[in-house]
Amino acid sequence: DVKVTQSSRYLVKRTGEKVFLECVQDMDHENMFWYRQDPGLGLRLIYFSYDVKMKEKGDIPEGYSVSREKKERFSLILESASTNQTSMYLCASGIIQGTYSNQPQHFGDGTRLSIL
Amino acid sequence: GNSVTQMEGPVTLSEEAFLTINCTYTATGYPSLFWYVQYPGEGLQLLLKATKADDKGSNKGFEATYRKETTSFHLEKGSVQVSDSAVYFCALSAKGNKLVFGAGTILRVKS
Repeated sequence: DVKVTQSSRYLVKRTGEKVFLECVQDMDHENMFWYRQDPGLGLRLIYFSYDVKMKEKGDIPEGYSVSREKKERFSLILESASTNQTSMYLCASGIIQGTYSNQPQHFGDGTRLSIL
Repeated sequence: GNSVTQMEGPVTLSEEAFLTINCTYTATGYPSLFWYVQYPGEGLQLLLKATKADDKGSNKGFEATYRKETTSFHLEKGSVQVSDSAVYFCALSAKGNKLVFGAGTILRVKS
């Protein structure tokens, strides 16, 4: 089974702090994704990466950056945390397949981040 | 552009009731369609998928049919259990191997 592991289940940080969320996958997937999940809004894509050192902006990249130094690891960085970044953050991985993939993404259990 | 619209919840049912969660989409190209489920405290798990028009995906008693003429992918189950209580997300594959998700529908099943 594919395993996507997020480093923390719960995290509490203060406004203005730099926050790192880590994600590791064990299936050698090319693609990795960071989403945030908010009630009534579903999952929104923050950033994704299709290869080491490659990154692409998703739908809501403002206030975030990412790092992918190794294929299995994808980090989300909140440069200066703000209260409106309080949310559930989900990491996912998947294979590259053509233009419209019919393969699912595999998700971690999420990190519930609170910014005070 | 691409978008997914799901029925608003929460949906509250008694055990053994019939379940339908509506999902409609707008898309360019030839997307695949997915239903994911999120149990309390967990991440999303793939429930079922369909890759082309008229395909039916099924798993654990859940079914959904890819209807291109109505741009729909409604989730159904004949007899729900308390253990089916979760949040259900409809999604489509977008260009670049991305997924576009609906807002999610909370399902609560009472015994």
